[in-house]
Amino acid sequence: GNSVTQMEGPVTLSEEAFLTINCTYTATGYPSLFWYVQYPGEGLQLLLKATKADDKGSNKGFEATYRKETTSFHLEKGSVQVSDSAVYFCALSTSGTYKYIFGTGTRLKVLA
Amino acid sequence: DAGVIQSPRHEVTEMGQEVTLRCKPISGHNSLFWYRQTMMRGLELLIYFNNNVPIDDSGMPEDRFSAKMPNASFSTLKIQPSEPRDSAVYFCASSRTGEETQYFGPGTRLLVL
Repeated sequence: GNSVTQMEGPVTLSEEAFLTINCTYTATGYPSLFWYVQYPGEGLQLLLKATKADDKGSNKGFEATYRKETTSFHLEKGSVQVSDSAVYFCALSTSGTYKYIFGTGTRLKVLA
Repeated sequence: DAGVIQSPRHEVTEMGQEVTLRCKPISGHNSLFWYRQTMMRGLELLIYFNNNVPIDDSGMPEDRFSAKMPNASFSTLKIQPSEPRDSAVYFCASSRTGEETQYFGPGTRLLVL
């Protein structure tokens, strides 16, 4: 079946550090891939997405590249800020379906 | 633009009581989703509506849970009777049919004592 595996958190970084949150997936067909972010006390917000292999999604300095050969969609940011502290969810959606498969989420804490 | 609206934001109730959670999707969105988030199980899809019709309720935990969507701008999730293990954050999300991006509301934090 389809699944998403994220690195365990929490991840604690100093401000301006480089961020990588790993995400790998298992899916039949050609899924679309997403990163959602959840700030404290809020709902999930779409951060970025990619719909086909080698696509790069980007937003707010975050990037992720859809790697079919490694079935990965790792989230990166070159210089994190305290305001990036949140929980990040990797998710997939298979073509023609409405269902998201979410990862377990990775909590990021950025210290000033 | 108004996002997905949920009410109440917080609910504390006692075991055995009825709980009703409410959701107003984004105008023009005809797909609506109810999710439950817990530490143990993460995010789980409870039910999916399309054009006000329940399409997939396989995630509804048991008969104590029910959901309705009487019109395109309103949905409810009801738990009767509530139990402590129902304590969780319940999210509503909406999307346009055919679009993969879902837009989440702020959630209702439910505590059943």
